[in-house]
Order: sequence, then C-alpha cells, then structure tokens
Amino acid sequence: DGGITQSPKYLFRKEGQNVTLSCEQNLNHDAMYWYRQDPGQGLRLIYYSQIVNDFQKGDIAEGYSVSREKKESFPLTVTSAQKNPTAFYLCASRGLLSNEQFFGPGTRLTVL
Amino acid sequence: GNSVTQMEGPVTLSEEAFLTINCTYTATGYPSLFWYVQYPGEGLQLLLKATKADDKGSNKGFEATYRKETTSFHLEKGSVQVSDSAVYFCALYNSGGSNYKLTFGKGTLLTVNP
Repeated sequence: DGGITQSPKYLFRKEGQNVTLSCEQNLNHDAMYWYRQDPGQGLRLIYYSQIVNDFQKGDIAEGYSVSREKKESFPLTVTSAQKNPTAFYLCASRGLLSNEQFFGPGTRLTVL
Repeated sequence: GNSVTQMEGPVTLSEEAFLTINCTYTATGYPSLFWYVQYPGEGLQLLLKATKADDKGSNKGFEATYRKETTSFHLEKGSVQVSDSAVYFCALYNSGGSNYKLTFGKGTLLTVNP
C-alpha cells in the first residue's frame, strides 16, 4: 500500500529538548510539506521541499528545522527555540505534475 | 495574497438533514479548490476538488461547485449521516510563481446526531 507514515503518533518531551518527527512516503512524490495544526485554527505551513536537498521556509518556520536527504523522507526537528511547540503536526506530499496533497496521520507533540 | 474564509462552526445537525458549509476565497489567477475532511485524531483526506470555474467536485454524496463570479466553493450534502461527523477544511492551491502550497480555511466542525 502506498502512503505516508508519521511516527510516533504521540510524543512527549520536556521543555528545552529538541525533538525530531519522522515522515516517510512511498508514493514517489517529489514535494513534501510540514504543517502545524492548533485547536480552532487551520493548518499553517512550516517548511516545504520540492526536490531532494532543497527546502523553503513556510509561514511559521521559526524554531523548526528540516532536511531532505532522500526523496522519501522529510524529518522535522522542533528545537528549543520554538516558543509554543505543543501541537498536532501533519506531513504531506505531492506528485510533480499534481496539485493534490496527500496527508499522513499526524503526530501529536506535547511539551511538558 | 491568497486567503480562504469558511463558516465558523460548530455545526450540529440531525441525521438525514441537509448540510451546507460556506467557503469563499481570495486569490489571483485561477486557483484549484479543495475540500478536505479530518476525522478525530487523524490526518486530512481529500474529499473533493475542482480545478476550473463551473467545475463540480463530488464524492460520497458531497458536492461543491467552483463559482468564480462569487469566489465561492460551498460544500453541500443532501442527507448527512452520523459517520460524517468530522472537521471540514476548504483550501485553495495557486501555483503562481514558485509557491506550491495549499492555503487553508480554519475548518468547520460538523457533528451529526442520530
């Protein structure tokens, strides 16, 4: 089955620690995205990558970092510089000739 | 810039009621429009889409028509079921320049009671 996997589903961290969220896709998609979702708000774009070894900041990149060393993987690191990291994080991917994004199941991060 | 405005929820309906969730947008050019659905604790699933004016997207009994003259893409369903309870997001995709991202509305929570 082709799709996007995110792990873990729930993640707890202490304040001040960096944490990395995993996103893997086997859809052979070129573009990948990270979104943050907070209660009562829409999705806000953190980072996106349209090709391996290249990525761009989205609307709320401060306090986050990403890498894109492989086509199928786009991990997101939430650093200690992110002021309010507790949120639901969603990864998505898109084929080169498509305007449709496919989403993973999400990771709920709670910083204690 | 691009923006999407959708009706604020929550919306609570009885089973078999008619559903409308309003969505209007602001964008330059000719964006593609989408409705995504999010069930509790899950990611987003594409519900339907339309890529040009007057296109009608439909899926699972839901419909939405791309109205350029009113910049709208309202979601409708004739008879909702309890299993339709979820959050619905309207979104637009505008590939102008190098900005290949979706712009989302804030979401509308729908609860359908038996």
